[in-house]
Amino acid sequence: GDSVTQMEGPVTLSEEAFLTINCTYTATGYPSLFWYVQYPGEGLQLLLKATKADDKGSNKGFEATYRKETTSFHLEKGSVQVSDSAVYFCALERYSSASKIIFGSGTRLSIRP
Amino acid sequence: EAGVAQSPRYKIIEKRQSVAFWCNPISGHATLYWYQQILGQGPKLLIQFQNNGVVDDSQLPKDRFSAERLKGVDSTLKIQPAKLEDSAVYLCASSLDLGNVGDTQYFGPGTRLTVL
Repeated sequence: GDSVTQMEGPVTLSEEAFLTINCTYTATGYPSLFWYVQYPGEGLQLLLKATKADDKGSNKGFEATYRKETTSFHLEKGSVQVSDSAVYFCALERYSSASKIIFGSGTRLSIRP
Repeated sequence: EAGVAQSPRYKIIEKRQSVAFWCNPISGHATLYWYQQILGQGPKLLIQFQNNGVVDDSQLPKDRFSAERLKGVDSTLKIQPAKLEDSAVYLCASSLDLGNVGDTQYFGPGTRLTVL
């Protein structure tokens, strides 16, 4: 069945460091891909998405490119801030009669000042 | 625009007791989802409604969990009787579901359930 695998955390970086969180997926067809973020004490929020191969999703300085050939959707940010500390979830969407999202297990990111 | 509302935010019960969670989706959103998020894991879909009909409940433990969405608006999720392994955050989400791929799901703050 469809699944999402993302790098295990926690990931700890210093402020202004470069961030990469790896995500790969297994799915038939061409699902949409998402990154969701969960800040401490808050609900899940959509960070960015890409709906077809080679699309790049971007938001708040974060980027991810839909790579069909490697079945990947790695999350990157050039310079992280303390406020980026959160749990990040990679996810894919299957759509038949309605949308169904399958989440990865999440990666906790902590940024040191 | 008001977001997805859930209550209560926290609940502590003993095993074999029953509990109910409530969700009010964003106005006009046709599709409503209940997820279970166990600590250290990603959310897992329990049940999905489109208006007041069930689209997918394949991962709902039907011997103890039930959910309804009367009138196609708000929804309740019930657990009866609860087990220790039901300790988790229960998330509700909704989407417009206009028939487009990539339709955004909006999540509520969740209800954290602890079963002792």
